[in-house]
Amino acid sequence: DVKVTQSSRYLVKRTGEKVFLECVQDMDHENMFWYRQDPGLGLRLIYFSYDVKMKEKGDIPEGYSVSREKKERFSLILESASTNQTSMYLCASSLGGGVRYGYTFGSGTRLTVV
Amino acid sequence: AQRVTQPEKLLSVFKGAPVELKCNYSYSGSPELFWYVQYSRQRLQLLLRHISRESIKGFTADLNKGETSFHLKKPFAQEEDSAMYYCALSSNTGNQFYFGTGTSLTVIP
Repeated sequence: DVKVTQSSRYLVKRTGEKVFLECVQDMDHENMFWYRQDPGLGLRLIYFSYDVKMKEKGDIPEGYSVSREKKERFSLILESASTNQTSMYLCASSLGGGVRYGYTFGSGTRLTVV
Repeated sequence: AQRVTQPEKLLSVFKGAPVELKCNYSYSGSPELFWYVQYSRQRLQLLLRHISRESIKGFTADLNKGETSFHLKKPFAQEEDSAMYYCALSSNTGNQFYFGTGTSLTVIP
């Protein structure tokens, strides 16, 4: 029944490493999103994509990039991990044409940068 | 700019007591409002949306455009309602949500 899968539940990386967070959805959704979730700050949008090979910056894109080569997969890349990127990362997807039916979220990846 | 405000980071109520989680928004167009919930160790999931006028798990929320609010209410809290709740806003043509900072609800037995 799992529809949005994030490849890792927990990750520990060193400062300066390049980090890949993977997200796959099997619902044929057009839209995919990456958020980070921090206590007291809620969910903040990093990047999103409305179609294959398309990407748009969210509210906090600095230090991140994304890749969407296939419709079902949306990858978040930390080019050079830093300790302030320690967070819970959430992937979500939705149908195109509006969010009337809401997002479907993955279970999250808790990233610790040491 | 669109903005969603949840003034309470933490809220504790006793089992059986009424609960209200506040959400206020600012948006110049026609907003669509949602509530999401995240139970411990589970993924974030949609609780309800104002366009459906539905009641899920005993929760209701009414969109008050005059007060720009979308408070979540339940007449009798249950222990299983303990969770993190996020209010979210989108435009009626939008493809993304704007989330509040969340309210952590604890229902005391």
